Amino acid sequence: KAGVTQTPRYLIKTRGQQVTLSCSPISGHRSVSWYQQTPGQGLQFLFEYFSETQRNKGNFPGRFSGRQFSNSRSEMNVSTLELGDSALYLCASSLAPSSGVSTDTQYFGPGTRLTVL
Amino acid sequence: QKEVEQDPGPLSVPEGAIVSLNCTYSNSAFQYFMWYRQYSRKGPELLMYTYSSGNKEDGRFTAQVDKSSKYISLFIRDSQPSDSATYLCAMKGGSNYKLTFGKGTLLTVNP
Repeated sequence: KAGVTQTPRYLIKTRGQQVTLSCSPISGHRSVSWYQQTPGQGLQFLFEYFSETQRNKGNFPGRFSGRQFSNSRSEMNVSTLELGDSALYLCASSLAPSSGVSTDTQYFGPGTRLTVL
Repeated sequence: QKEVEQDPGPLSVPEGAIVSLNCTYSNSAFQYFMWYRQYSRKGPELLMYTYSSGNKEDGRFTAQVDKSSKYISLFIRDSQPSDSATYLCAMKGGSNYKLTFGKGTLLTVNP
């Protein structure tokens, strides 16, 4: 069974640009969560989608947005990039929503390393 | 005060040592507690998942939760060089059950 895949793996952008990251969950998983990982703040929850609906959202500005398609694939968009957006962006999938009482395991992808210059 | 505190280390131990990794938290609503392992250039993978207080053992790994002290631990027995990684605690509960992570502890097990 293929794992969670994220594309691209590495990305370099300049301030003010926008970027779109893609995540393909494990087959059959309907929940996709996005996280930002930085050395200073650690792993922080961005948002979660389940069956094309945003189920939960972290404390990030509106420049960070996402969506989920009918095949459960998800995209994350960051507009007007800032230097502080440089981070590893991780996507995770699970059968049931992770932000709930479910004990379903979340499986993480390898991440997209975004560098903003 | 951050909701979850974790000593970032780094922690360096000889092969075969018992390793103790810890997290403290402030939100008493947390009910589900997890430990993830993250190798360099990889995403985190779930190691242990416990609900409420108590111990859980899986092979060389033991997870402990003490809700009265708001303290969780992961013990690794007979540590191996392949255990070298960053270990992240995570927890959820309360009104929205968002998963909240510690910053991670970098562990190196020396042969």
